[in-house]
This record gives sequence, structure tokens and C-alpha cells, in this order.
Amino acid sequence: DAGITQSPRHKVTETGTPVTLRCHQTENHRYMYWYRQDPGHGLRLIHYSYGVKDTDKGEVSDGYSVSRSKTEDFLLTLESATSSQTSVYFCAVGQGNGYTFGSGTRLTVV
Amino acid sequence: QKEVEQNSGPLSVPEGAIASLNCTYSDRGSQSFFWYRQYSGKSPELIMFIYSNGDKEDGRFTAQLNKASQYVSLLIRDSQPSDSATYLCAVIDSTLTFGKGTMLLVSP
Repeated sequence: DAGITQSPRHKVTETGTPVTLRCHQTENHRYMYWYRQDPGHGLRLIHYSYGVKDTDKGEVSDGYSVSRSKTEDFLLTLESATSSQTSVYFCAVGQGNGYTFGSGTRLTVV
Repeated sequence: QKEVEQNSGPLSVPEGAIASLNCTYSDRGSQSFFWYRQYSGKSPELIMFIYSNGDKEDGRFTAQLNKASQYVSLLIRDSQPSDSATYLCAVIDSTLTFGKGTMLLVSP
């Protein structure tokens, strides 16, 4: 899995609370991505990073923020979790030859 | 916005048959195309990518690209029950855009 670790693997949180998901990679990839996957919608890009402190929005970025202070770590924060953010979140690394995905975080907002 | 369309399935084939998975894309300027396999409860894994018109073969898998028709397909020869999964088509511009996937069921 290209040395990608996502934490936590599962989380249940309450509506309105902030939540941070972590992606850690060990292979010095410049590009990192956060996707969410929902039934009927497939994989959708939330945010991505093309270097330390360099990030950009994806298709479904509202309600999410990201930070990348080190090459190996890419954090996704739900500023105030809502039930619509219940999903499986995948981190990925890579570029033109395709991405490699982490194992995912299953987040439930109650 | 780029769109990638796939039939959701399920596509059911008997063991040993050829499974044909199809994908169309909206952006005529797209250059690179990817097929991922995703088992239930697992993360997507890259099977193949293709850049040029025509066929690209890797073992039992063949990717086919027709840029004029904006069409990508994946053929799986000698399908096995272990091939039962959801297959995701993806197109890259600055980032990967995925279709919603086609579920493949291979029956023994």
C-alpha cells in the first residue's frame, strides 16, 4: 500500500464536533489526496496537496480543510461535523501513473 | 466538470468467461485512463492504465481505448470467482476523476 497509513480506521463522532483524520506516507510522494466514497456517488476528491503547505480544493471541499506541514503527513479536518459527512475517507498518493490508496477511515457522524 | 460514466451492474458472468467492463468520459482532451479494482470493504487498487488508442494487455486483463469515441473498456479473460469486485474507471487531468464503478460477479 505504498507505505500509507490512515488513522483512525474507524471513528464515531457527534454532530457539530471537529474531527481530524490523518494520512501518513513513508515514500516521499509530493502529491497527496483526500477522497470520500459514498454509495451512489463513488469516489470524490475533497482536497489535494502538491507540496508542503501547498493545497487545493477538489470537487466536494465545502466543510473540510486540510493542512500539510510535513511531506509525510496530510491532515483532513471536518470543522463542524454533519451527518452528511458520514462516509469512508481515503487518502491517496501519486501522480500521472495512477494513485495508490490507503486503507480508509470509516467515519460516522451521529 | 469531467464526467466518467459506468454501468453500475451487477455484471454477472460464469467462471471461465470473458467479462467486459465499459466506461465513457466527457472530456475529449483527456489523455490517461485507469482501471481500479475494489473488493467490498477494501481500498481501490490499480489494475492497469492506458494512454494510447488500441489495446494494452497484462496477463488476463486487456484495456482498450478509443479516444474518438471517448470510450475505455476492460476485458477480463478466464474470469474467476476471485475477480468478483467493483471495477472503477478513472480519468486524469490534474487529478483523478472516477466513475461510480461496475460490480462484477463471477459465479463458479
